[in-house]
Amino acid sequence: QSALTQPASVSGSPGQSITISCTGTNYDVGAYEYVSWYQQYPGKAPKLIIYDVDNRPSGVSGRFSGSKSGTTASLTVSGLQAEDEADYYCSSYTSSSTYVFGTGTRVSVL
Amino acid sequence: QIQLVQSGAEVKEPGSSVRVSCKASGGSFRSYAIRWVRQAPGQGLEWMGRIIPVLGIENNARKFNDRFAITADKFTSTAYMDLNNLRSDDTATYYCAVGDYNDFRFDYWGQGTLITVSS
Repeated sequence: QSALTQPASVSGSPGQSITISCTGTNYDVGAYEYVSWYQQYPGKAPKLIIYDVDNRPSGVSGRFSGSKSGTTASLTVSGLQAEDEADYYCSSYTSSSTYVFGTGTRVSVL
Repeated sequence: QIQLVQSGAEVKEPGSSVRVSCKASGGSFRSYAIRWVRQAPGQGLEWMGRIIPVLGIENNARKFNDRFAITADKFTSTAYMDLNNLRSDDTATYYCAVGDYNDFRFDYWGQGTLITVSS
């Protein structure tokens, strides 16, 4: 199972919006509405920020939103803040009853 | 609020085995799916496998073949990950993550356990 493809890095200025893509196949992202996104700070455990494509867990900022079209899912961060500087990973359930993560994206706030 | 506490860091020799524990509190262990994820230094996340104790379901990523096993003790609300025949490229931080077994996400994460494989 190959990792989902994400851009290595994305950057933006405070207040701007950025979008991170996550490209898979018809056996994972394209097959199910079970894409989730995780935020990870250096040396810390990942944190769930989006699940089932476009749902936010309680307590997660409304500045995070998700979407999906075909085999590509996306995470948008609106009103970029310094605290959003972190690594972001997508994940999808697969047709083999397994999970696959994305390659990860480093977000920098300029 | 579910909390997961993992066992401490270890240094292991190539060819040996390691067991990492993950103790859950604050929720209903009976309804969990327990998943294991690892992250090599400076690298991304890698799904290793999952167990759903209430359904007796376990499945692992194919790349680990028979080297990897997950077990769960419902009486102590503790899950275990066993990795055998360790290699240098198994050096990583290992995370347990849980969520409801009907869901397809990793809601809560342990703090991570660094396993270093070195002679």
